[in-house]
Amino acid sequence: KQEVTQIPAALSVPEGENLVLNCSFTDSAIYNLQWFRQDPGKGLTSLLLIQSSQREQTSGRLNASLDKSSGRSTLYIAASQPGDSATYLCAVIQGAQKLVFGQGTRLTINP
Amino acid sequence: DAMVIQNPRYQVTQFGKPVTLSCSQTLNHNVMYWYQQKSSQAPKLLFHYYDKDFNNEADTPDNFQSRRPNTSFCFLDIRSPGLGDAAMYLCATSRVVAGIGETQYFGPGTRLLVL
Repeated sequence: KQEVTQIPAALSVPEGENLVLNCSFTDSAIYNLQWFRQDPGKGLTSLLLIQSSQREQTSGRLNASLDKSSGRSTLYIAASQPGDSATYLCAVIQGAQKLVFGQGTRLTINP
Repeated sequence: DAMVIQNPRYQVTQFGKPVTLSCSQTLNHNVMYWYQQKSSQAPKLLFHYYDKDFNNEADTPDNFQSRRPNTSFCFLDIRSPGLGDAAMYLCATSRVVAGIGETQYFGPGTRLLVL
């Protein structure tokens, strides 16, 4: 059974810092990996999708990497801003259709 | 423009009183999903429709049912809500091509309160 773990569970940093969120998964037989952002009481916003054949994807200040063999992904956020404060979830796509989520990292950026 | 729409955004129901949550999409995606998310937990997949084919997760309670009358709409029916069913219910869609799932798009969610 696939298990997805995110470390740390919570992170608080000053504005302007670069930071890395970690995601690990136990079964490397995945199709894709997706990073989401969730604001309190809201739905999920897709940030980046990395296909299993890719090693990284970039969108603005965000860069996500994928190492299937080691079962790891990282989300790098450059020059963090208070508006980046949210919970970040990673999810692996298995069986072509099913997402398995990690528990999330709750990020706080302090002005 | 909203691509995945959920109604209502907030729903209050009484213990045991059936409730229906609605999801619609403008993306013409072939797969629609329902997730349950409780406070500070990851979303948990309840079931999904691949076109008209219904796929139930093994641990989804019988109390939860779903209907997809057409490509655009999908409903979540909770036949007899219990206090433990209070949660955020998230609808998502994706396009699956040649067996590979693409980005999943989520709606804003419906927060269900059971009194």
